[in-house]
Amino acid sequence: SAVISQKPSRDICQRGTSLTIQCQVDSQVTMMFWYRQQPGQSLTLIATANQGSEATYESGFVIDKFPISRPNLTFSTLTVSNMSPEDSSIYLCSVDEHTEAFFGQGTRLTVV
Amino acid sequence: GQNIDQPTEMTATEGAIVQINCTYQTSGFNELFWYQQHAGEAPTFLSYNVLDGLEEKGRFSSFLSRSKGYSYLLLKELQMKDSASYLCAVRGLPGAGSYQLTFGKGTKLSVIP
Repeated sequence: SAVISQKPSRDICQRGTSLTIQCQVDSQVTMMFWYRQQPGQSLTLIATANQGSEATYESGFVIDKFPISRPNLTFSTLTVSNMSPEDSSIYLCSVDEHTEAFFGQGTRLTVV
Repeated sequence: GQNIDQPTEMTATEGAIVQINCTYQTSGFNELFWYQQHAGEAPTFLSYNVLDGLEEKGRFSSFLSRSKGYSYLLLKELQMKDSASYLCAVRGLPGAGSYQLTFGKGTKLSVIP
């Protein structure tokens, strides 16, 4: 099974600043997924990151707010830009292996 | 798109059996998954259904009816450590816009002594 290291595990940030979340996988994967889980809610897909091409964003999410990098097949970053308190959430990266989705431990972001 | 419904909360007694239902409406269905998520932790895979019927895996079983858009997760011999949220997730057809996983809001299960 894929092992995913995600960091930071948590952060408290000032509004208007940006935070970059890193996700490292122990094997090469074609697609990496970024999710948001707001308090008391389920997981919502932000975007799919493919190596060598621009990320594909879901409805309601835009590249200017959530820029994504995918420099190689084992690594991706998600930046939460110009943060507001509404961005307080858990952010998770995920990969698929043999139909099963594996998740990083998540980044708990609080914007004050 | 995908729409997934499951109960918000359930309570059950240690040692008992509990069934968590999930219904979905989808523009293209391929696979259904159940995940367990303890508070403050990432979701972990429990089960996978692609064909109609029951899949058993130890104390956990999952059932799927594609024609009814219905699934349930059955937990037997409940233990206190089973207190967690259980997420139903659906994946659409390859090549379609719904191929990514869509998650329900989760059912928070509380196991009491």
